[in-house]
Amino acid sequence: SQQGEEDPQALSIQEGENATMNCSYKTSINNLQWYRQNSGRGLVHLILIRSNEREKHSGRLRVTLDTSKKSSSLLITASRAADTASYFCATDDQGAQKLVFGQGTRLTINP
Amino acid sequence: DGGITQSPKYLFRKEGQNVTLSCEQNLNHDAMYWYRQDPGQGLRLIYYSQIVNDFQKGDIAEGYSVSREKKESFPLTVTSAQKNPTAFYLCASSIILNFNEQFFGPGTRLTVL
Repeated sequence: SQQGEEDPQALSIQEGENATMNCSYKTSINNLQWYRQNSGRGLVHLILIRSNEREKHSGRLRVTLDTSKKSSSLLITASRAADTASYFCATDDQGAQKLVFGQGTRLTINP
Repeated sequence: DGGITQSPKYLFRKEGQNVTLSCEQNLNHDAMYWYRQDPGQGLRLIYYSQIVNDFQKGDIAEGYSVSREKKESFPLTVTSAQKNPTAFYLCASSIILNFNEQFFGPGTRLTVL
């Protein structure tokens, strides 16, 4: 079963606007990660946030984690055309010793 | 230039044939993984290996086999027993078997004709 579920499934915005994607999960986690995938390519790790952290920044990325609500959000500020991609959250499943990926949010930045 | 390479990029298979997908890494990572991705879906774990000569089944191992004879290499064989093999296959590695950053290869798109 999927641990992480992203919302929305697809998002289309104008260049320069901010993009926000959300991820919900079901069980307790040690950390949550966000990955980007350009069409037909492999995934690229963006950021990892640990369960004892509430917010983390990396360049134009801002990730928040609310363990009480079992949810995370990824904010991309001042979006660019190059940000067009699918974004996945991944959580650790201690029992099964694996990362569990959500279905992703497909982000389109319109010039 | 370190990284993970996968070959081929595109692969076509006739029904009933076995095919092997290559995955090589020069990152000196102990752990390696194979994932399957279907259109519009997330990744599902096929097999993983935390060390040479050891590997474990993931969520969807049926119809697949792997080997880990060398640290750098983790080939995946898609056998004729896999009933719906058309998909995008991604190989990944991490320093050790944990839940931190995984590094991904560029993927192989397999199509069954």
